[in-house]
Amino acid sequence: AQSVTQLDSQVPVFEEAPVELRCNYSSSVSVYLFWYVQYPNQGLQLLLKYLSGSTLVKGINGFEAEFNKSQTSFHLRKPSVHIRDTAEYFCAVSEVGSYKLIFGSGTRLLVRP
Amino acid sequence: GAVVSQHPSRVICKSGTSVKIECRSLDFQATTMFWYRQFPKQSLMLMATSNEGSKATYEQGVEKDKFLINHASLTLSTLTVTSAHPEDSSFYICSARDGTSGNEQFFGPGTRLTVL
Repeated sequence: AQSVTQLDSQVPVFEEAPVELRCNYSSSVSVYLFWYVQYPNQGLQLLLKYLSGSTLVKGINGFEAEFNKSQTSFHLRKPSVHIRDTAEYFCAVSEVGSYKLIFGSGTRLLVRP
Repeated sequence: GAVVSQHPSRVICKSGTSVKIECRSLDFQATTMFWYRQFPKQSLMLMATSNEGSKATYEQGVEKDKFLINHASLTLSTLTVTSAHPEDSSFYICSARDGTSGNEQFFGPGTRLTVL
C-alpha cells in the first residue's frame, strides 16, 4: 500500500520569496506522483505530475517539483510566490497501473504581502 | 477541455432525507469516475470508484447502502447519500478519467453538503 506524508500543515511566506512544500511517499512498487492545488470551496487543479523520464518536472503557475527516488520525495518549489498562490496544496501518489490516487494531508501555503 | 461539473454546488437538507449529487464530464467520455469526501481542513479520502455500466467499488469502511453510486452513462455519475445525518456533512468531490488521460484525473468543483 502507498502512503503520502506532507509534514508541513501550513507554510507562511512573504510575497516574492521562494517556497518549498515537502512531500514524501512510501510504496513497495513504482508510482506516479502528482501535485494538486485547491482554492477555497473548489475542486482540485493539477499543478504537475511525474510519470517517467526527467526527474525535474515543470508545471503550471511557475511551479516545479523534483522526484528523488532514493529519498522517496517529490518536493514542490516555486522561486517567487504571489499572493494568488495562497491555497491548499496536495501531494498524491498512484501505483503504476492503478488509477487510484492516495493523497497527503495537504499543506496550506499562506503568502503574505 | 477536460471539464468536470458537479451539481448542486451546495445543499442543505434535514436529517433523514436523501440527497443526490451529480457529476458530469462535459467534453469527454469518462470511463472511470471517482468519489471523494473531504472534511474541513483535511485531505481527500476516496470513497468509491465507478466504471460506466458496472457496480461501484467501495473503499474499506464506506457503506455502499448509504452512499449509492450510479454510473449509467459515460458522462454522468451520481452519488446519493441516503438517510443523511449530520455526520455526513462534508465536501464531496468527484473526478473522472477517460481512456486517453493515463493516470490523470480531472476534478469537479465539489459539493458542500450540510445536514441539519
